[in-house]
Formats: sequence, C-alpha cells, structure tokens
Amino acid sequence: NAGVTQTPKFRILKIGQSMTLQCTQDMNHNYMYWYRQDPGMGLKLIYYSVGAGITDKGEVPNGYNVSRSTTEDFPLRLELAAPSQTSVYFCASSRGTWGETQYFGPGTRLLVL
Amino acid sequence: AQSVSQHNHHVILSEAASLELGCNYSYGGTVNLFWYVQYPGQHLQLLLKYFSGDPLVKGIKGFEAEFIKSKFSFNLRKPSVQWSDTAEYFCAVTNNAGNMLTFGGGTRLMVKP
Repeated sequence: NAGVTQTPKFRILKIGQSMTLQCTQDMNHNYMYWYRQDPGMGLKLIYYSVGAGITDKGEVPNGYNVSRSTTEDFPLRLELAAPSQTSVYFCASSRGTWGETQYFGPGTRLLVL
Repeated sequence: AQSVSQHNHHVILSEAASLELGCNYSYGGTVNLFWYVQYPGQHLQLLLKYFSGDPLVKGIKGFEAEFIKSKFSFNLRKPSVQWSDTAEYFCAVTNNAGNMLTFGGGTRLMVKP
C-alpha cells in the first residue's frame, strides 16, 4: 500500500513552459486535493475533487488546471509557468469530506526561472 | 473569511523542555480541528484531531491539544520534547458548514539534543 505518490520530486521550469504534476493514490479515496506550500504561509488549496469527473476550485486556482478521469489519479497542469508558481506542491486524499483525515504525498518542489 | 493563525513561526527548545504551540482560528459554528506534522524528509501526517466530546485530545507520540471554544484556540502541547520531535507543525480547521480545510502558516520546531 503505497498511499499517495507524486512525480516528479523536483523540477526546474523556464517561464512560459508547461508541465503536469502527477498524483496517484491506492486507497480508493473519493476526495483528492492539490495544495501549494510557500514559506511561512502554510498550505493553500489549489483544486480539489470529490470523485471521478468532478473537480472544483480552491483558494488559489489561477494558473492551474486539473482533471480526474479515474478515482486513483489527479494530475495538476501548469500551462504557462510563472515565477510566482515556484513552490512545493502537495497532493492529498481522504475517504470523505473536509472533516476526514487527509493523507499527503511526499511533495513536488518546483522552481520557475 | 476563515483564517487560522499560528503565532510562533520558529521555536527552539532543549530536550526535556515542555512545548506549547499556539493555534487560533476564526470560524463560526461547529469546528473540526487538526494538527498535522511534517518531519524532515517525510510526508505531512496527522498528529491528532478534534471533532466533538472531550476538549482535551491525545495524539501520537505523547502530544495532546486542548480545544478552548471561548478563546477560539486549539493549542498543541507536549510535556517533554525529544530531539525526534524536530519538525514543522501545522494547525488546520474546517467547520460543519462544509468549508474547505484551512491551514495555519506552520511552526518550525527545533529540539536541541
């Protein structure tokens, strides 16, 4: 049982490039989330999904897109990378809604230059 | 808007010292409260949570937290810290109105051996 896995672990992007951050969970959780973590700012919710085919915006969705075609996968897409997107990105999943324990992946460190 | 404040950004303690990390929130209604911890190089993981009942909650590794409704607080405590408690600690809050989980800015704890 791997839990929540994320790839890549680290990536450097040039301004304007695009990339997809991968997230997979093997716990059959309905809820999945993408957060970004900036120093001293805690975790900010980017997007979340309550099940396959259903996604919704979080607190800071601008510049990102998501899709949820399967229960297991929840990729995060950056279309036009900007320096402001330099951050650590965490994917998480939970069995149920906001009051349930969230299980986090190891994070992806992204640097946009 | 809902918010969570962790007033201590960095804490340095010697082993065996007592720990108290502050967490205050601004939410209406019934709340669900969490402390998550991120050890160096590891995933963010749940330390403890409060939903209802006894306001003094015990978590893993000897940690506990007390929910004081009148003070909108959920402070984390440990009577005697160990070097292995060195980590970043995050308070998080949601409420029964279905609001997303909101994280505080985190507190970095360093325990000196």
